Amino acid sequence: DVKVTQSSRYLVKRTGEKVFLECVQDMDHENMFWYRQDPGLGLRLIYFSYDVKMKEKGDIPEGYSVSREKKERFSLILESASTNQTSMYLCASTPFLSTAAYEQYFGPGTRLTVT
Amino acid sequence: AQKVTQAQTEISVVEKEDVTLDCVYETRDTTYYLFWYKQPPSGELVFLIRRNSFDEQNEISGRYSWNFQKSTSSFNFTITASQVVDSAVYFCALSETSGNTPLVFGKGTRLSVIA
Repeated sequence: DVKVTQSSRYLVKRTGEKVFLECVQDMDHENMFWYRQDPGLGLRLIYFSYDVKMKEKGDIPEGYSVSREKKERFSLILESASTNQTSMYLCASTPFLSTAAYEQYFGPGTRLTVT
Repeated sequence: AQKVTQAQTEISVVEKEDVTLDCVYETRDTTYYLFWYKQPPSGELVFLIRRNSFDEQNEISGRYSWNFQKSTSSFNFTITASQVVDSAVYFCALSETSGNTPLVFGKGTRLSVIA
């Protein structure tokens, strides 16, 4: 079974803190993604990565950065957390197929509250 | 640009009723993939189905069925004889052919099945 794990289910941070959200997958997938989910807005892509040390901006990268030093781990960093970053954060992974799109496997999510 | 529209924000049905969740998509690609995911109250997205643009056969899996119609750019999802455990948020998503392309999600439909 594919397993995508996220470091915390719930997290409370203060405004201005640096926040790290960790995601690990155990299926040797090339592609990894970070989304945020807000009521009425669905899932919005923050960043994604095709390979180690590779990263691409998604639809809403402002205020975030990412790190992928190892294939199995994809970290999302909030350099200076703000209250408008209070949200559910979802990590996903998928293998690379050059001629097809594979389903993404999701982690359980991290509900981040910034006060 | 790709877009997925789930016009139904919330649906409420009584147990054992049939319910159809609508999904309309936009893409300029001739080859693409469509997906449905379920997000129960626990928060983790569960993959339900993947369909490529060349396969217009309807699919049935137990109480779930999917109706893909390229002519109307729709990929609708029907639950027959709904149960309380079907209560969740359901997302439709679209991807281009390449495995490196992120999914584009609709905003989701919240289904409540009342006993």
